Amino acid sequence: DIVMTQSPDSLAVSLGERATINCKSSQSVLYNSNKKNYLGWYQQKPGQPPKLLIYWASTRESGVPDRFSGSGSGTDFTLTISSLQAEDVAVYYCQQYYSIPLTFGGGTKVEIK
Amino acid sequence: EVQLVESGGGLVQPGGSLRLSCAASGFTLSSYCMTWVRQAPGKGLEWVASIKQDESERYYVDSVKGRFTISRDNAENSLYLQMNSLRAEDTAVYYCARLGTGDDSAYRHFDYWGQGTLVTVSS
Repeated sequence: DIVMTQSPDSLAVSLGERATINCKSSQSVLYNSNKKNYLGWYQQKPGQPPKLLIYWASTRESGVPDRFSGSGSGTDFTLTISSLQAEDVAVYYCQQYYSIPLTFGGGTKVEIK
Repeated sequence: EVQLVESGGGLVQPGGSLRLSCAASGFTLSSYCMTWVRQAPGKGLEWVASIKQDESERYYVDSVKGRFTISRDNAENSLYLQMNSLRAEDTAVYYCARLGTGDDSAYRHFDYWGQGTLVTVSS
């Protein structure tokens, strides 16, 4: 199984400042034949289901604000919120869909400082 | 508008059974692979099972193999999860979700999620 490790577990960022979340996979999720990283990012607010933010490691889902961006390749990935807004308070999860079982990271809780 | 609405959750004793349903609307269910994901109270997300459009392939996390069965009825626009031999550790909110891209691969992100249904396994 591919283990997804997120860091930090939580972070507090001031409004308007940058938030950076890291995700590391125990093996590469880069599929060589199509050069795609099978990695997604989700946002979950309290009492709500997860919402897709980023897929293929760096493609922003339709309707997601451009302050959210994803980067990385192979085993190391980053979700960046360029200017934190109050509505971004949530838990963020990375997920690999390279191999079954599909697995999620443990989550990173983002709060306002 | 894509909508996924789960139902069928509730309180069940250990060893019991439950069948979850997910009603899909706003898209053609038969064109998409579908999945179930669960979240234990206060915990993270765990993928449970996925199914291809024509039920030709089904995939499960090891912890539910032999106990859970994912199925679908495209004519009824519904996805199901039959859960047998339930254990306390199966207690969770169960979400159904659609796999993105609409191709026949089970190796895709999840682009739409339902609100979830709570399953509690306890005596």
